Amino acid sequence: ETGVTQTPRHLVMGMTNKKSLKCEQHLGHNAMYWYKQSAKKPLELMFVYSLEERVENNSVPSRFSPECPNSSHLFLHLHTLQPEDSALYLCASSQDDRGGGNTIYFGEGSWLTVV
Amino acid sequence: AQKVTQAQTEISVVEKEDVTLDCVYETRDTTYYLFWYKQPPSGELVFLIRRNSFDEQNEISGRYSWNFQKSTSSFNFTITASQVVDSAVYFCALNTGGFKTIFGAGTRLFVKA
Repeated sequence: ETGVTQTPRHLVMGMTNKKSLKCEQHLGHNAMYWYKQSAKKPLELMFVYSLEERVENNSVPSRFSPECPNSSHLFLHLHTLQPEDSALYLCASSQDDRGGGNTIYFGEGSWLTVV
Repeated sequence: AQKVTQAQTEISVVEKEDVTLDCVYETRDTTYYLFWYKQPPSGELVFLIRRNSFDEQNEISGRYSWNFQKSTSSFNFTITASQVVDSAVYFCALNTGGFKTIFGAGTRLFVKA
């Protein structure tokens, strides 16, 4: 059983819809991440939260809006997405609140299709 | 700049063959960490190993082994006696501090019965 759970596992949404991806970690970690994995592209870091504060934001379009209400939960709010946003969105966590070589543990991902 | 190169896009082997996945990294930092992850078709990246730059000892875990060579900036991964369940995409990754871990493009391994 994975220590990082993501819901939903599959999501199909129209370009005008608003939806959210949810992530929960059961590992007692202090940092949480959103990664995007598209076909034929390396894994892209989108956001990092450490102790509920956003510490990384890698030029992600504003149609993606993260939220971290506590150190165990992370959301990615989606609105007015484009078809090119279709991808696997991976949530992850790591123990240390400073990053720095800590192992990142991933969830199973949410497969998003924008139509 | 930091970079991870996995030159092998796809590898296909027959069950019970040994296979080595290559990983070459670039960094000017003296302290860094290297990782390998496995991604089966379900999507989750499964952590396999973490090494720091001060520990060049090779490691073996069952059928898996890793060869870390700072002289060639390589961190290669060998699966001995491959099995169909080893079919997956394997990622090598590098962290030099902070929260940014850089991943290679991945190597897709097919193991045929």
